[in-house]
Amino acid sequence: AQRVTQPEKLLSVFKGAPVELKCNYSYSGSPELFWYVQYSRQRLQLLLRHISRESIKGFTADLNKGETSFHLKKPFAQEEDSAMYYCALLLSGGYNKLIFGAGTRLAVHP
Amino acid sequence: EAGVTQFPSHSVIEKGQTVTLRCDPISGHDNLYWYRRVMGKEIKFLLHFVKESKQDESGMPNNRFLAERTGGTYSTLKVQPAELEDSGVYFCASSQGPGTIYEQYFGPGTRLTVT
Repeated sequence: AQRVTQPEKLLSVFKGAPVELKCNYSYSGSPELFWYVQYSRQRLQLLLRHISRESIKGFTADLNKGETSFHLKKPFAQEEDSAMYYCALLLSGGYNKLIFGAGTRLAVHP
Repeated sequence: EAGVTQFPSHSVIEKGQTVTLRCDPISGHDNLYWYRRVMGKEIKFLLHFVKESKQDESGMPNNRFLAERTGGTYSTLKVQPAELEDSGVYFCASSQGPGTIYEQYFGPGTRLTVT
C-alpha cells in the first residue's frame, strides 16, 4: 500500500540551526514527491517538488530511492520558517491523488 | 488572480443534519480535488473531478458523501446525514492538468464541526 511517513510531529530548533524534516515513503511505482507548507493562517502551498531539484527559501530535498526517503533540509533555520510541513506522494499510472504524511510542525525560536 | 475559494470557512451542525460545502477552483482549471483532514490525522484524498466527470472517487468514505461539479465549474460536497466522525477540515484543490507538472493549488479549507 502507498504510504508517507513523517516520524516527527514537532521539530523545535533555534534560529540559525540546521533543520531536517524526515519523510519516508512506501510505493511500488515510480515516486513523485512533494513538500507542502502551511504557514499560520495561510493555505496549504507547494514548497518544492523532487523533479525540479530546486532550492526554495533555502530548502532542498533529495529523493533517495534506496532509502525511500525525501527529507527536507535547510542549513540555517529562520523564524519565518515556522510552519506545518507535509510530505506528499503523487500516485502515477492514471491516478492524480496526493498521499500526505501526517505533517511535522517546525518551530524556530529566536 | 483569485485562488481557490471555499465556502463556508466554518460550519457547525448537529449529528444527523445536512451540510453542503462549496469550492470554486481557479478559472480554467479542469481538475478539481477534495481532501479532508480529520483531527490528528493526515490529509486524505476524497475524489478528483476532470471537468464535470468524476475521475477517481476512491477516497469517498461512504454513501453519505455526495460530490458534484455541474458544468465543470464549481463543486459541492454534501454530507447527509452528518456523523460525529465527519468533523474535520475539508480542502479543495485545483490544477490546470494532471500529473507532476501541474501544481495542485489548495483552498483555505472548510472546518466542519459535527456535534
